[in-house]
Amino acid sequence: QSALTQPASVSGSPGQSITISCTGTSSDIGGYDSVSWYQQHPGKVPKFLIYAVAKRPSGISDRFSGSKSGNTASLTISGLQVEDEADYYCSSFTSSITYVFGTGTKVTVL
Amino acid sequence: QLQLQESGPGLVKPSETLSLTCTVSGGSISSSSSSYHWGWIRQPPGKGLEWIGSTHYTGKTYYNPALESRLIISVDPSKSQFSLKLNSVTAADTAVYYCSRVADGVPADHWGQGALVTVSS
Repeated sequence: QSALTQPASVSGSPGQSITISCTGTSSDIGGYDSVSWYQQHPGKVPKFLIYAVAKRPSGISDRFSGSKSGNTASLTISGLQVEDEADYYCSSFTSSITYVFGTGTKVTVL
Repeated sequence: QLQLQESGPGLVKPSETLSLTCTVSGGSISSSSSSYHWGWIRQPPGKGLEWIGSTHYTGKTYYNPALESRLIISVDPSKSQFSLKLNSVTAADTAVYYCSRVADGVPADHWGQGALVTVSS
């Protein structure tokens, strides 16, 4: 199974909105509403941000939102803050009853 | 509060077997009503996340096809533990290994702290 494709980096200024894309195939993202997103600061454990494409676990800010169209999922961070600077990973359930992660996106707050 | 903790050797020689155990506390690994699975994810230094595989308390397992030939994931509900064994390791298997709780459609809604395993002679 191939990793989902994410842009290597995305940047924005404080207060702006940015969107990270995550592209897969009809065997993963396109076939299931089982896309999750994770935030990882350097040297830290990944943090669970989004599940089922657009749902937020308890305690996650509503500045983080998810969506999906066809084989591409997206994570939008609105009102960008300095502490949002981190690596972000998408994941999807697959038709092989496995999971696959994205290649990861480094978000830089300018 | 559910907690997961990895344990095992931090250094493994090439061609040998990497073995890790995850101990679950604050929740049952084998609740009769549980649809949760228990999984492993790894992250080589400076690289991205890779899903390794998962198991259910009944023993049913699911593996990453790229690792399946070298991989065994098992569960011991009586000890609230599940384990990973990866044989014939090489330097490419050097990574931080995380254990996780796998929810419906989610590879990890809870994570362990991670265990760095280095493959080197």
